[in-house]
Formats: sequence, structure tokens, C-alpha cells
Amino acid sequence: GAGVSQSPSNKVTEKGKDVELRCDPISGHTALYWYRQSLGQGLEFLIYFQGNSAPDKSGLPSDRFSAERTGGSVSTLTIQRTQQEDSAVYLCASGQSTDTQYFGPGTRLTVL
Amino acid sequence: KNQVEQSPQSLIILEGKNCTLQCNYTVSPFSNLRWYKQDTGRGPVSLTIMTFSENTKSNGRYTATLDADTKQSSLHITASQLSDSASYICVVLSGGSYIPTFGRGTSLIVHP
Repeated sequence: GAGVSQSPSNKVTEKGKDVELRCDPISGHTALYWYRQSLGQGLEFLIYFQGNSAPDKSGLPSDRFSAERTGGSVSTLTIQRTQQEDSAVYLCASGQSTDTQYFGPGTRLTVL
Repeated sequence: KNQVEQSPQSLIILEGKNCTLQCNYTVSPFSNLRWYKQDTGRGPVSLTIMTFSENTKSNGRYTATLDADTKQSSLHITASQLSDSASYICVVLSGGSYIPTFGRGTSLIVHP
């Protein structure tokens, strides 16, 4: 079946603009993660959704970052008033449980 | 603080040669350890998952080992191929947690 998809694959924006990143998880997967991968750094946890439970937002770096997951499926990560330090690859992963994560190809965000 | 350290940071080998990548972790309590392969511009793909009781697990030319006493893991690649060129990421999940700890990865380049 189809894997995790993310859009756009690349996003270039100007400092101060808002951006929305989309993740389509594998159908039926209840767990969904967002991560940030900066050059030369390990993956940084941002937010975790599990079913209809309240998301764990403990990894969001500032209040400019927010995410939602509609209908337990598609998720959107929003970054408001983007800064140059937000430039990174944003990865989404989904799974049936916390053990197995299937990653999307990522969105490469560049803030000029 | 949970940490995962990988070595070497980068490695260059000739096609057909073997290599071993290292992972040391301080995550406690331990639940499982995964090795992921991440091709350039793609999301990570799981190679192996190991729990506390497992010492060795193979996936084709990839063999992972785990020493839970010393909190070390290794990934051995046999008869390397050009397609093995990628970043290899060690990920450890703590028991009772759903947020994994990622290493920074080892960048492997296989030359013909």
C-alpha cells in the first residue's frame, strides 16, 4: 500500500511568513510523529499524536509552532513568523504503535 | 539525560568491503533499539529492531548486535555495495516512553 506522504517536498519562504506542512500517514495508523532534522544533527522530536488522545506537544521549540491532526488521519504542522533557524527537514512518521515508525520523505524548509 | 552516541561520524570504504558502525546509549530503562538507513533526500527506513533479550539480528547483509549490559550496539555491513551509501541512524526507545532518542547518524560512503 501507499507509504507516508508529505507535501510540499521543498518550501522556500521569506523570514516572517507563515508556512504549513502536510503529512498523510499510512491508512489505519494511530500514531503520528513530527520531527525536525537539521544539518548534522539527530532527529529532534516535535509532537506526537495517538488516536483521539491529546497530543504531546513537549517538543515544539516555541509557540510559533503548532500542529493538528484532523479525523485521526492527515496532520498539518504550522510555523508562524518563520525565522532562519527554522530551516531544516521536517519529517513525519506514522505507525500502529510506538515501536514501528514509517517515515515520509520529509519537507525541506528554507527560510531566507 | 537519555543520549545516543554514534561513531564514526563518517566512513568511506571501497565496494565489497565490510564495515562496522557503533552506537552507545545511556537510555534507561531500555525498551528497544533500532537501526535506520536514510538515503539522501529520503526518510529513514528501519533495518532492524532489537529488544533487551536479543543479542544479534540480521537483515540480509546487515547484522546488528546488542550488549544491554554495556549499552552498546553495532551494525555490521557485509560485502558493501554502492547502494549502501547513506546515513545510518541508531534509535533507542525507553521503556514506558513513546519518544525515541536518536543518534546523529554515521554517514557511509561506498566507493567503486
